[in-house]
Amino acid sequence: AQSVAQPEDQVSVAEGNPLTVKCTYSVSGNPYLFWYVQYPNRGLQFLLKYITGDNLVKGSYGFEAEFNKSQTSFHLKKPSALVSDSALYFCAVRDPQWNDMRFGAGTRLTVKP
Amino acid sequence: DGGITQSPKYLFRKEGQNVTLSCEQNLNHDAMYWYRQDPGQGLRLIYYSQIVNDFQKGDIAEGYSVSREKKESFPLTVTSAQKNPTAFYLCASSRDRGFTGELFFGEGSRLTVL
Repeated sequence: AQSVAQPEDQVSVAEGNPLTVKCTYSVSGNPYLFWYVQYPNRGLQFLLKYITGDNLVKGSYGFEAEFNKSQTSFHLKKPSALVSDSALYFCAVRDPQWNDMRFGAGTRLTVKP
Repeated sequence: DGGITQSPKYLFRKEGQNVTLSCEQNLNHDAMYWYRQDPGQGLRLIYYSQIVNDFQKGDIAEGYSVSREKKESFPLTVTSAQKNPTAFYLCASSRDRGFTGELFFGEGSRLTVL
């Protein structure tokens, strides 16, 4: 069975500091991995994805994520956090063997001024 | 501008009533999806459609119904059989079929059962 986990319900960082939002996955094949962001009472917005190639993926708004096959992780990172980055972040995984995509439960990021 | 339009944004329903949530896209995407979002549970797939006149059940299809008569439209009906319908409902589309590409989401519809 495929699954995705976001081990932290909440993450808090100070503005200007680096941020990391963690994601681990469990799939039977090579995964397609995605990060989305959600602002209050809004739909999700796509940030970045990994399908193949370079393990470091760059996305929107200065975010990047590193695919680590040995640790089955796909952590979201940003070198310098902004207050406006405060939102709910979702990791999603798709196993090519299954016609399905699974979302993590979400991590609420708070960036303090 | 291209995008996905969901309506209504807020909806209140009495128990025993069916309601239909609208989802329209002008992105010319083949695939469309309905997700339900509850606090702390992420998104759960209700139904999806990869082509007109065809759709498949997701993880939590019971108590819901859909149709896909036009490429642009994928309405979701929440029936009285859905035991706990109060939730935030998200419609999405993707250019690629088979969950291989990024999803484009609407702004959501919040349904409250009184």
